[in-house]
Amino acid sequence: GAGVSQSPRYKVAKRGQDVALRCDPISGHVSLFWYQQALGQGPEFLTYFQNEAQLDKSGLPSDRFFAERPEGSVSTLKIQRTQQEDSAVYLCASSLLARGTPAQFFGPGTRLTVL
Amino acid sequence: KQEVTQIPAALSVPEGENLVLNCSFTDSAIYNLQWFRQDPGKGLTSLLLIQSSQREQTSGRLNASLDKSSGRSTLYIAASQPGDSATYLCAVERSDSKLTFGKGITLSVRP
Repeated sequence: GAGVSQSPRYKVAKRGQDVALRCDPISGHVSLFWYQQALGQGPEFLTYFQNEAQLDKSGLPSDRFFAERPEGSVSTLKIQRTQQEDSAVYLCASSLLARGTPAQFFGPGTRLTVL
Repeated sequence: KQEVTQIPAALSVPEGENLVLNCSFTDSAIYNLQWFRQDPGKGLTSLLLIQSSQREQTSGRLNASLDKSSGRSTLYIAASQPGDSATYLCAVERSDSKLTFGKGITLSVRP
C-alpha cells in the first residue's frame, strides 16, 4: 500500500478483555515501531522490530502487552486483560532501513477505549 | 533519560503571521530530530528531519533549525494560514532508534 495502515481504527473493550491491534507497514520496510499516545501527550515508544526480530521491547508497560511480527511484515500488538489506563491511541510506524532511517512513517493509529 | 519539552502548549495567531515553535531536549547525544504535524484523530506526518550533523532543513514555508550543543530546535512557519492549524510535535531519535517526543504545541491560525 501507499502508506502504513492500522486496524481497527477504533476499539472499545470492557475491562479484562483481550485486544489485538494490527499494523500493515509500507511494503519492504525493514523497521517497525509501536508507540502509545495518551490524551494530550506525545507518543511514547513501546517496541521495535527489525524484520521479524524484536530488538527492543523496553517500552512495553507490563507483561500484559505483547507484540509480534512473525514474517517480518504485518505486526500485531496484543493487550491481555485490558485496564482503563490502557486507553490511548496506539501508533505504528515503519522505516525503510534499520535504525529508523531515513525517517519513520506513521499510520493513523488505533484509538483504544477501555470501559 | 532524554526529555523533550515544548512550550507553550497552545498558540493562537492571526493569519499571515510568521511564527516560531520551540523545542528543547536534555541529552545532546541525538541521531536526528524530527518535526511532525498531527491533525485531530489522525496519525503523524513528518515535516522535516534534521540529522545531527546538520544545522537546518527547509521545506516550502517551513524551516527547522537544530543547535545540538544547547539542546534546542525551532520550527519557523512563514506567512501562517488557517490550514496550518494542527498540533506540532518535536521528536529526537537516539542511536538505538527510539523516538522521544515532546507533548506538542497546538497551533490555531485565525482567518
